[in-house]
Amino acid sequence: DGGITQSPKYLFRKEGQNVTLSCEQNLNHDAMYWYRQDPGQGLRLIYYSQIVNDFQKGDIAEGYSVSREKKESFPLTVTSAQKNPTAFYLCASSSKQGGGGATNEKLFFGSGTQLSVL
Amino acid sequence: GEDVEQSLFLSVREGDSSVINCTYTDSSSTYLYWYKQEPGAGLQLLTYIFSNMDMKQDQRLTVLLNKKDKHLSLRIADTQTGDSAIYFCAERGSGSARQLTFGSGTQLTVLP
Repeated sequence: DGGITQSPKYLFRKEGQNVTLSCEQNLNHDAMYWYRQDPGQGLRLIYYSQIVNDFQKGDIAEGYSVSREKKESFPLTVTSAQKNPTAFYLCASSSKQGGGGATNEKLFFGSGTQLSVL
Repeated sequence: GEDVEQSLFLSVREGDSSVINCTYTDSSSTYLYWYKQEPGAGLQLLTYIFSNMDMKQDQRLTVLLNKKDKHLSLRIADTQTGDSAIYFCAERGSGSARQLTFGSGTQLTVLP
């Protein structure tokens, strides 16, 4: 089945530790995204990648890092510099139709990773 | 920057219609989307509308767009308990480099 897979479902981080969240897609999508979700808030964009070996900072990139060595994979590392990492992390990939002034971008989301601090 | 606003909570009785509202600020919005999130899960695309349309219907879902007032709504007819979830409005401005901007989500509770 085509889809987007995040792992693990739950992750615990100790103070000073880096942790990596996995995101894999077999939808053949070029673009992939990482969002952070806090209770009662919308999704905030951390990083995105529109093509392999390229990625851009989103609105809240500080304390996070990513890589995009393969089309299928876009792992997110939450570094020790992120002082408030407890949140639900969502990975997405997108198919885009059209272009230029009117692009219909449908996001497909993984099931999320809940990160908590010990 | 662009902003998308939604009320946080809505409660309805099973069988009634639900109307979830959203306002946005970006006048260059091209596509607007509604996503559904069930507890502990990712978001699922429900429907979308292009900015040159004012209404789109898909089974129990009706999307209304008032571009002049920058107001989007999602109506769910005959609401069921399985419709209880968080509903996110999102907009995309013009230009392929633009990303989606999401609202804070509306928690819909369907009461028996």
